[in-house]
Amino acid sequence: DTAVSQTPKYLVTQMGNDKSIKCEQNLGHDTMYWYKQDSKKFLKIMFSYNNKELIINETVPNRFSPKSPDKAHLNLHINSLELGDSAVYFCASSLRDLGNTIYFGEGSWLTVV
Amino acid sequence: AQSVTQLGSHVSVSEGALVLLRCNYSSSVPPYLFWYVQYPNQGLQLLLKYTTGATLVKGINGFEAEFKKSETSFHLTKPSAHMSDAAEYFCAVTYLGGGNKLTFGTGTQLKVEL
Repeated sequence: DTAVSQTPKYLVTQMGNDKSIKCEQNLGHDTMYWYKQDSKKFLKIMFSYNNKELIINETVPNRFSPKSPDKAHLNLHINSLELGDSAVYFCASSLRDLGNTIYFGEGSWLTVV
Repeated sequence: AQSVTQLGSHVSVSEGALVLLRCNYSSSVPPYLFWYVQYPNQGLQLLLKYTTGATLVKGINGFEAEFKKSETSFHLTKPSAHMSDAAEYFCAVTYLGGGNKLTFGTGTQLKVEL
């Protein structure tokens, strides 16, 4: 059983489209995250939710909207996709307390053409 | 603000040689430090972490790291490299009050040669 699973793994779409990436964790964690890895492999946090409540919201364009229907799911919706949105998006989860291991999904490769 | 610097974006070693990947952190409060490994087209896997207590931390696959406060370092080592160790390695830091948010270094690509 995959601990943190995200779909789709690969996504190619045209500029201006709207797309969603779904994430689910079966680890019983209360906190979930979205990280973005750019073409230079730099990783940066985008959002974090704890028990469905947004607790971290980095400087991310409003076109990106996370949604957490329950603490096991955190989806990422992106409106009006731009070329610069091409990246790998990683979902992750952990228990909230500091120092707990953050477990990452396999990543979703988004290519905007 | 907390930050992590990984010296050397690419490191190449011979199989059986010592692996040393460097990580220095900047933090105004006690840091919690992590090393993650990323194999091609895969997610990140935790190798080891330092939170409190013993400063020499052992992780998976024979890796270990030592937290040195005086040097603000958390270098990753492995006595003998294996071909399967070839991957991208990321050092990361978080801290009390940081919401368990990881700040990553820029990564080091490890190449293992025969």
